[in-house]
Amino acid sequence: GAVVSQHPSWVICKSGTSVKIECRSLDFQATTMFWYRQFPKQSLMLMATSNEGSKATYEQGVEKDKFLINHASLTLSTLTVTSAHPEDSSFYICSARVGGHQPQHFGDGTRLSIL
Amino acid sequence: DAKTTQPTSMDCAEGRAANLPCNHSTISGNEYVYWYRQIHSQGPQYIIHGLKNNETNEMASLIITEDRKSSTLILPHATLRDTAVYYCIALKGDYKLSFGAGTTVTVRA
Repeated sequence: GAVVSQHPSWVICKSGTSVKIECRSLDFQATTMFWYRQFPKQSLMLMATSNEGSKATYEQGVEKDKFLINHASLTLSTLTVTSAHPEDSSFYICSARVGGHQPQHFGDGTRLSIL
Repeated sequence: DAKTTQPTSMDCAEGRAANLPCNHSTISGNEYVYWYRQIHSQGPQYIIHGLKNNETNEMASLIITEDRKSSTLILPHATLRDTAVYYCIALKGDYKLSFGAGTTVTVRA
């Protein structure tokens, strides 16, 4: 149980395009979903927290107009990297949580490469 | 959230128990200790969590000292597939996981 699916797993695109990443909780309803970013040889950095039906809360230094988050239902959140540039190339990972002190469960990540 | 301190790296022998320490001397009474691991190029995997009692599941055991200032994750029979970065995280009510550098565990045959 507690499976989180992330799609796509790998994307390469040209500079200036927008990329959408989907995160789905397959066998549970997630009250909260989280988006992280991980650069090579570094640890995960939280970008934003989203609750179904409300606006995402972004961490300091993360541009909300560049990283659009939509949490449309209790099983789906999307991250759109708008007008992506090479410096946005990274490993993006989502997680989902039921509630209380239940743990977050993570997707397998999306490796984004901007040329 | 309380800061946690873990060794940078550890080597373990395949088939033997792996004991991963974590210090969290400033942990508060309502903070849980969570353990995750990240195998190369994958998303983190939840292992176990606890508040003050020892916990065991199919993956590992978590031993928390009585004063809660430290804990040990035990992988009972390490395999090569357990090679990963292991993260010990103390978590409060806002449920935001803060990943440090973790311990790079290498299981050797």
